[in-house]
Amino acid sequence: GESVGLHLPTLSVQEGDNSIINCAYSNSASDYFIWYKQESGKGPQFIIDIRSNMDKRQGQRVTVLLNKTVKHLSLQIAATQPGDSAVYFCAEGAGNNRKLIWGLGTSLAVNP
Amino acid sequence: SAVISQKPSRDICQRGTSLTIQCQVDSQVTMMFWYRQQPGQSLTLIATANQGSEATYESGFVIDKFPISRPNLTFSTLTVSNMSPEDSSIYLCSVGTGWEQYFGPGTRLTVT
Repeated sequence: GESVGLHLPTLSVQEGDNSIINCAYSNSASDYFIWYKQESGKGPQFIIDIRSNMDKRQGQRVTVLLNKTVKHLSLQIAATQPGDSAVYFCAEGAGNNRKLIWGLGTSLAVNP
Repeated sequence: SAVISQKPSRDICQRGTSLTIQCQVDSQVTMMFWYRQQPGQSLTLIATANQGSEATYESGFVIDKFPISRPNLTFSTLTVSNMSPEDSSIYLCSVGTGWEQYFGPGTRLTVT
């Protein structure tokens, strides 16, 4: 079936560096994409989203890029901080049922 | 964003018993979702629980095993019935506003 997957299961970066977390999706009909951050022992927390009619969206220290040609989504975190250490999930949605399809997750470790 | 609480936060149960997990939201929402998350893995949707209608279950999940109640717009319960060790997992509820979903802290269930 359709699925969303991540290229890198783990990512280790130095504090202050920029982080890039990648995600591949397979459903060409998906029109909504979202990134979540999940810290240990907590539920996922919304970070940023993007619709299929956009290719870039910026938030505070985060940028999401969407490349529909190759069905690729990325999350860029600027000046990564220790508090950014978490598992990051991408998810996609299509149609009107409001159900999200979740990626496998990438664990981000920030080294001081 | 909505504030979501879950009870209990964790429990250890014996096989063959049942556990009911409560999800309380601080505002009225139409769409609620129940997920299961195995440690170190992604989220799997169990069912969508909309007030005023029967819950809609995903493939692999049945009402007899995971009965859901949604008595009003701020509350829902998920029961894990006749538990086995394979049911050990984190159970998460979320509420949807459009495509965005906001999550509770989760219930960590261990079945012995």
